[in-house]
Amino acid sequence: AQSVTQLGSHVSVSEGALVLLRCNYSSSVPPYLFWYVQYPNQGLQLLLKYTTGATLVKGINGFEAEFKKSETSFHLTKPSAHMSDAAEYFCAVSDRNYGQNFVFGPGTRLSVLP
Amino acid sequence: EAGVAQSPRYKIIEKRQSVAFWCNPISGHATLYWYQQILGQGPKLLIQFQNNGVVDDSQLPKDRFSAERLKGVDSTLKIQPAKLEDSAVYLCASSPSRTSGVGETQYFGPGTRLLVL
Repeated sequence: AQSVTQLGSHVSVSEGALVLLRCNYSSSVPPYLFWYVQYPNQGLQLLLKYTTGATLVKGINGFEAEFKKSETSFHLTKPSAHMSDAAEYFCAVSDRNYGQNFVFGPGTRLSVLP
Repeated sequence: EAGVAQSPRYKIIEKRQSVAFWCNPISGHATLYWYQQILGQGPKLLIQFQNNGVVDDSQLPKDRFSAERLKGVDSTLKIQPAKLEDSAVYLCASSPSRTSGVGETQYFGPGTRLLVL
């Protein structure tokens, strides 16, 4: 069965600082990988995803993530944090087969300090 | 383009009562998902529909939860009877399903917040 771990349930950064949110997965074969963001009292919104091709994926709002098969990781980064980035971030994986077995990680709450 | 609609947004019930949630996916989306998100946790997939057929319901507590998607459009999720541990946000999502949902972006509704007393 697949699983997702996100190191750090809460991360705080200063405005303008680098954002690094960690995601590791366990799967017998490389899955599809996703990052979703959830703002307070709202549904989830896709930031970016990796399905195939280039391992460095660029998403919305200046975020990017790199798939590293050898490390079974898909860490999310942003060079310069903005106050509006404060939210809950979820890493997710799914099988490459019909039925998907879609699994979310526990989430990391990002706080941005002025 | 209208997003995924859910109602009600909030619901408070007592344990052992019944409750139902409604979801209207984005027009034309064939795949529909229901998730349960307990406070402080990531969403957990309860059931996935492809049109009006069930793809995955392995994590649906079938003794109390049921879901249907008649005509392959709207969907309802029901809990009967509710328990205290069912307090959570219930999220509905849909995807176009050009590839039967595999690898596709899921579009989420705002969720229904359920409190069971």
